[in-house]
Amino acid sequence: DIQMTQSPSSLSASIGDRVTITCRASQSISSYLNWYQQKLGKAPKLLVYAASSLRTGVPSRFSGSGSGTDFTLTISSLQPEDFATYYCQQSYSTPFTFGPGTKVDIK
Amino acid sequence: EVQLVESGGGLVQPGGSLRLSCAAFGFTFSNYWMTWVRQAPGKGLEWVANIKQDGSEKYYVDSVKGRFTISRDNAKSSLFLQMNSLRAEDTAVYYCASGSTYWLDPWGQGTLVTVSS
Repeated sequence: DIQMTQSPSSLSASIGDRVTITCRASQSISSYLNWYQQKLGKAPKLLVYAASSLRTGVPSRFSGSGSGTDFTLTISSLQPEDFATYYCQQSYSTPFTFGPGTKVDIK
Repeated sequence: EVQLVESGGGLVQPGGSLRLSCAAFGFTFSNYWMTWVRQAPGKGLEWVANIKQDGSEKYYVDSVKGRFTISRDNAKSSLFLQMNSLRAEDTAVYYCASGSTYWLDPWGQGTLVTVSS
């Protein structure tokens, strides 16, 4: 199975900060990488698919990049509604494993 | 409105069985792969299983192979997860999700399965 890691596991940031979350796959997954946002007690929501494609309706302050084994989710200017846990997921080969998550909270 | 609604969760003893259902609304269910994902209390997301549009392909995470069976009824726009030989470590919120072959969107609200004596 492909193992996914994320860093950092948590971070504290202020409104307006630029935030970068990194995801690494244990082998090359081309661009088969998705990002999800999960708020406490809620179901996850898709933010970015195929490494860099923004889901319709997701604010443009979110962006994804990378290919192969290294990927990044960037929030250009953190907003109050962005405090949540973010998960990457590879969809290159089953099982489509998730990363352990990165919790973003208020500094 | 596109919506997925899970049901069937509850408390079950170790070794017991449970069948989860997921009803789909607002889209052509038969056109999409469907997936089950679970989340143990306070933990991260774990992909469990998925099934092709016509049910001809099914894939499972190793930890549930031989115990869980994913199925679907396209005529009723419904997805199922039959869970047998349940263990304490299967305790989780179970989400169904739709989307493409490669990403999950949308997700249901989840149903809680608790395995305990």
